[in-house]
Amino acid sequence: DAKTTQPTSMDCAEGRAANLPCNHSTISGNEYVYWYRQIHSQGPQYIIHGLKNNETNEMASLIITEDRKSSTLILPHATLRDTAVYYCIVRVDQSNTGNQFYFGTGTSLTVIP
Amino acid sequence: DTEVTQTPKHLVMGMTNKKSLKCEQHMGHRAMYWYKQKAKKPPELMFVYSYEKLSINESVPSRFSPECPNSSLLNLHLHALQPEDSALYLCASSWNTEAFFGQGTRLTVV
Repeated sequence: DAKTTQPTSMDCAEGRAANLPCNHSTISGNEYVYWYRQIHSQGPQYIIHGLKNNETNEMASLIITEDRKSSTLILPHATLRDTAVYYCIVRVDQSNTGNQFYFGTGTSLTVIP
Repeated sequence: DTEVTQTPKHLVMGMTNKKSLKCEQHMGHRAMYWYKQKAKKPPELMFVYSYEKLSINESVPSRFSPECPNSSLLNLHLHALQPEDSALYLCASSWNTEAFFGQGTRLTVV
């Protein structure tokens, strides 16, 4: 299984961009990078995913390096409600057995007023 | 409907009890998952069902018994649990998309 490593914690000033890095150096060519966040023991919430191109949606942007060994989640204007644990996940593609989502240790992001 | 519904939200059970956790989705997803999450730790994958058949069992003790009665439902039967099994149990569903998670069942074993 491709593993991910993330910093344990980060702080970000409210209104500034939050850049959350993730290393996934053993990722395979057909494995996607997913980002989820979890707010205080609620269920994880999907943010964004990508394969090799950069992606943007209403919540965030995802920048994947050309060698695909790392990625960065960008929250462009962090708010206090973005305080959460952010998980970078490599989705293991198994069409017969169901895709598998293995969580790394995550980054605890604190947005500071 | 993009919801995964888990019941109950909270459960307290004794070590000799038998209980079940339930999970339901109506998104037509053919893969469903159980995760266990201890405090301040990431969710750990326990089981994966694909097309209503158990496809992944991450070496989970037999006191946890999953069941998938149909494509919309997933159960987790609990028997003879230990206090260290107290955790948040999360259900998820997916099929060639992101996984959608329920809000979890907070289980306390006394």
